[in-house]
Amino acid sequence: GQNIDQPTEMTATEGAIVQINCTYQTSGFNGLFWYQQHAGEAPTFLSYNVLDGLEEKGRFSSFLSRSKGYSYLLLKELQMKDSASYLCAVSNSGTYKYIFGTGTRLKVLA
Amino acid sequence: GAGVSQSPRYKVTKRGQDVALRCDPISGHVSLYWYRQALGQGPEFLTYFNYEAQQDKSGLPNDRFSAERPEGSISTLTIQRTEQRDSAMYRCASSLLPPGGAENEQFFGPGTRLTVL
Repeated sequence: GQNIDQPTEMTATEGAIVQINCTYQTSGFNGLFWYQQHAGEAPTFLSYNVLDGLEEKGRFSSFLSRSKGYSYLLLKELQMKDSASYLCAVSNSGTYKYIFGTGTRLKVLA
Repeated sequence: GAGVSQSPRYKVTKRGQDVALRCDPISGHVSLYWYRQALGQGPEFLTYFNYEAQQDKSGLPNDRFSAERPEGSISTLTIQRTEQRDSAMYRCASSLLPPGGAENEQFFGPGTRLTVL
């Protein structure tokens, strides 16, 4: 089966750095995605990892360790607009369907 | 350009009625996905298509749920004999390429909020 775990909520201060962890168990792996979802809106794509290591995109970076079934999303120089839910999703290598975690609700405080 | 659109945006129906939810993907996108999302949860996979072929329908809760994409573009998710537990946000997403092998982000639509009374 497949299982994805993320913390339910996190709080951080404007200007700080926050790391959101995601652990997964899957029978086959074909990539891990991070999406951002503001309240009442649709998810939007942030990053994709299929090989081990760090992918950097501006203020956001994502890391993957396939052997550990672990990823994290790193947000630097936090802004108030970063307050949102962050969804980790894994693509299964069998049928390639995507399984999403429950999301981590991040609150950025002034 | 136009993103993924869904209609209706809101649907209120009575228990036992059938509903059809429509998804219009981004033009030229090969893959189309249906999800159900409860408040405070991540999207729950229902089914997906490459072109007109349904690739995986393992997430459909039961045989009251079905989906089609007859011409490889617009898709319809149909729920027959609706029940109160079907109330949720139903989201559609599309991607340019089929999943697997390469970075292939999904573009999500605004969703249809279904309420079954």
